[in-house]
Amino acid sequence: ETGVTQSPTHLIKTRGQQVTLRCSSQSGHNTVSWYQQALGQGPQFIFQYYREEENGRGNFPPRFSGLQFPNYSSELNVNALELDDSALYLCASSSDEYEQYFGPGTRLTVT
Amino acid sequence: GDSVTQMEGPVTLSEEACLTINCTYTATGYPSLFWYVQYPGEGLQLLLKATKADDKGSNKGFEATYRKETTSFHLEKGSVQVSDSAVYFCALSASAFFGNEKLTFGTGTRLTIIP
Repeated sequence: ETGVTQSPTHLIKTRGQQVTLRCSSQSGHNTVSWYQQALGQGPQFIFQYYREEENGRGNFPPRFSGLQFPNYSSELNVNALELDDSALYLCASSSDEYEQYFGPGTRLTVT
Repeated sequence: GDSVTQMEGPVTLSEEACLTINCTYTATGYPSLFWYVQYPGEGLQLLLKATKADDKGSNKGFEATYRKETTSFHLEKGSVQVSDSAVYFCALSASAFFGNEKLTFGTGTRLTIIP
């Protein structure tokens, strides 16, 4: 059974650019949640995808968007990057009966 | 809305000392409660969980009891090891069906154990 994987591991972007982060969910899980963890803070919920549909969203602007694919993998897209978007982005996969399992994260630096 | 308040760190202890990290929560209904651990350079790992009042979660010598009357879920360990050095996060989800509920996290407590 493979765990949750994320790519890339690290990423450096310039303010105003766009970025796509990817997450492969654990086998058997149909739900992917995305979190932003700023330095020294706890993770903040961005949104969740369940069976390819958005299933809840946190307090993030529309320039944060996502997708979930038929194999339940997921993408997080951020447009018009700002300096404050610099953070560790975590995805977690789960299913109806099982708690969320987290990937190792993507460290995004915006300069 | 839901919130989690964690004991501020950092916490530094000697090996074999007793550990308590305080966590209190605010939530409507009957949340599930979690402790996650984050080792340097890694993502979050679930340490333990409890889904109803008076449940005790335990793993790797760590324990936490879901106290509804005090809205608390304090993390305890009787004898810490150097390998326990990490950041610990208390979290809740709004219901027992935690697979499809968002997690609300505390700010984390950094624990350092000195040999």
